[in-house]
Amino acid sequence: AQTVTQSQPEMSVQEAETVTLSCTYDTSESNYYLFWYKQPPSRQMILVIRQEAYKQQNATENRFSVNFQKAAKSFSLKISDSQLGDTAMYFCAFMISKYSGAGSYQLTFGKGTKLSVIP
Amino acid sequence: ETGVTQTPRHLVMGMTNKKSLKCEQHLGHNAMYWYKQSAKKPLELMFVYNFKEQTENNSVPSRFSPECPNSSHLFLHLHTLQPEDSALYLCASSQDLLRDSFENEQFFGPGTRLTVL
Repeated sequence: AQTVTQSQPEMSVQEAETVTLSCTYDTSESNYYLFWYKQPPSRQMILVIRQEAYKQQNATENRFSVNFQKAAKSFSLKISDSQLGDTAMYFCAFMISKYSGAGSYQLTFGKGTKLSVIP
Repeated sequence: ETGVTQTPRHLVMGMTNKKSLKCEQHLGHNAMYWYKQSAKKPLELMFVYNFKEQTENNSVPSRFSPECPNSSHLFLHLHTLQPEDSALYLCASSQDLLRDSFENEQFFGPGTRLTVL
């Protein structure tokens, strides 16, 4: 079974500053994907960034980037130049690759980190 | 309407009531999901449908009954619920389950906030 742990229930950051949200996971699978989802107060959850486990290069999407450490099973999210619109719950999630043979398409989520951006 | 929509957005019901949650996706997807989001807990996958066929039931109590009449619509029928069933119920959709996970991004609806009295 897979588990995802987000150790920071709440965080805050000043506008325009940089913040890093941590995520660790546990799995015995070798082929998998990792995701960060954002859920603003209006509740529609959206995908922020995703990472393929077999890729060494860290994914980036504009102001969002990840630090993926496969050996340590760590997948942190860095938000640069924080904006007020970044205020939201952030969820780290894990999914086994279909081609691993496990056939699972289930997303396993962490409990989330509530990020507040302060003006 | 675009994306994934859910109605109603809020629902209060008694334990003896019967109600239904509705989800509609306008993305041309073939896979749809129901999740339960409770406070202080990770999202829990409840049901998965692929091309209208149920492929997953994560040991969900029978008081929750899903229905998927076509690839665009998903319902969750509720009856004799318990107060601990109060939560945010999220619907999601993705292309289909034949694709690998990375290509199968899930798009979420805004959720229905359910309160069981």
